[in-house]
Amino acid sequence: AQTVTQSQPEMSVQEAETVTLSCTYDTSESDYYLFWYKQPPSRQMILVIRQEAYKQQNATENRFSVNFQKAAKSFSLKISDSQLGDAAMYFCAYRPPRKGRGSTLGRLYFGRGTQLTVWP
Amino acid sequence: EAQVTQNPRYLITVTGKKLTVTCSQNMNHEYMSWYRQDPGLGLRQIYYSMNVEVTDKGDVPEGYKVSRKEKRNFPLILESPSPNQTSLYFCASSLSPRLGGAPNEKLFFGSGTQLSVL
Repeated sequence: AQTVTQSQPEMSVQEAETVTLSCTYDTSESDYYLFWYKQPPSRQMILVIRQEAYKQQNATENRFSVNFQKAAKSFSLKISDSQLGDAAMYFCAYRPPRKGRGSTLGRLYFGRGTQLTVWP
Repeated sequence: EAQVTQNPRYLITVTGKKLTVTCSQNMNHEYMSWYRQDPGLGLRQIYYSMNVEVTDKGDVPEGYKVSRKEKRNFPLILESPSPNQTSLYFCASSLSPRLGGAPNEKLFFGSGTQLSVL
């Protein structure tokens, strides 16, 4: 079974500061995708950022960036200049390699989530 | 507007009373999937479908059924709901089941259905 671990059930940050959410995953594969999703109180699932395992360069989307350490199987999310609207539950997700129907195609594995609070 | 529509948004029912949560997408997506979200457990995949009449089990399929008779619809059926199926349910769809980095592989989520089984 695939495992995605988010070791921080809750995190908090002061507005305008930087916070890092951690995620580790367990896989023996080399070709996969990793994602961070944001779920605000509205329950909507919003894709924040994604990283292809083949790419060594860390993905960046405005104030959101990742630290992808493939050998350590670590995929942390850094939020810079935190804003009140960043307060949400954040989920890390792992997409295994495509291996055809009946195997791992179409599978997506989520961590347990980190609840981020942003203080004014 | 491109969207995944789930109904109902909230549902309270009693043990053993069959129910269906509907999911519909208007983007001609081939791939659809159901997840349940529980506090402290994150999202877990229940069933998914690559195309019409093609469905596969996810990690927690017990107690659920699905069907994919039409491309746009992927209902989740609880034949005999039990209290341990109280959860927040999400339907999601994508043009491609590859779920990778290309624009056509992005996963779109519905707004969720909060189900309480008493």
